[in-house]
Amino acid sequence: GAGVSQSPSNKVTEKGKDVELRCDPISGHTALYWYRQSLGQGLEFLIYFQGNSAPDKSGLPSDRFSAERTGGSVSTLTIQRTQQEDSAVYLCASSNPGLAEGALAKNIQYFGAGTRLSVL
Amino acid sequence: QKEVEQNSGPLSVPEGAIASLNCTYSDRVSQSFFWYRQYSGKSPELIMSIYSNGDKEDGRFTAQLNKASQYVSLLIRDSQPSDSATYLCAVITPGGSYIPTFGRGTSLIVHP
Repeated sequence: GAGVSQSPSNKVTEKGKDVELRCDPISGHTALYWYRQSLGQGLEFLIYFQGNSAPDKSGLPSDRFSAERTGGSVSTLTIQRTQQEDSAVYLCASSNPGLAEGALAKNIQYFGAGTRLSVL
Repeated sequence: QKEVEQNSGPLSVPEGAIASLNCTYSDRVSQSFFWYRQYSGKSPELIMSIYSNGDKEDGRFTAQLNKASQYVSLLIRDSQPSDSATYLCAVITPGGSYIPTFGRGTSLIVHP
């Protein structure tokens, strides 16, 4: 596609329910990132996928959060047993950094419009 | 723990003035620096990237990098009301996954 696509754009759920957020990256981009942005806060890194490598899960805040990326393209972020503090905008970004160290360091990300999650 | 610090603002400037946005970072070996603009309710979009000490100009935007002092700034000349947004500073440090670390952003308001 022309850009990073995220769905749904808005999600309202009840505390304790599970939710799935979807990200469709720019075609050909090997890297995919999930971030969380709470009101008035910066971007909090959650998880990173690069090609066929094992994902970097170092930013996931708890074991209620998980993500997968199927076929090196679409990714799904799953939040189990949602809590009110999970309410935030979840942003997905993709990039095509290449593998050389110099290219990795110049990694420009392209963001989707985000999913606004509200946990009641 | 890598840290990227920005004044949250808001920074208010009159139309036509120069807006100066600053960012400091904690890791001396950080290598790449980015400024993203985020309009309210929208996703971040890249404005400038800079990798070497000095100035880099693109239209009304100038990024300035000083690695010795560990700060990077963004100057917006002839500010317009359409420049009103939150500006996010992002830093990549070599090693690991090269995942950018973002600051909290500075809110800029350009008033007519």
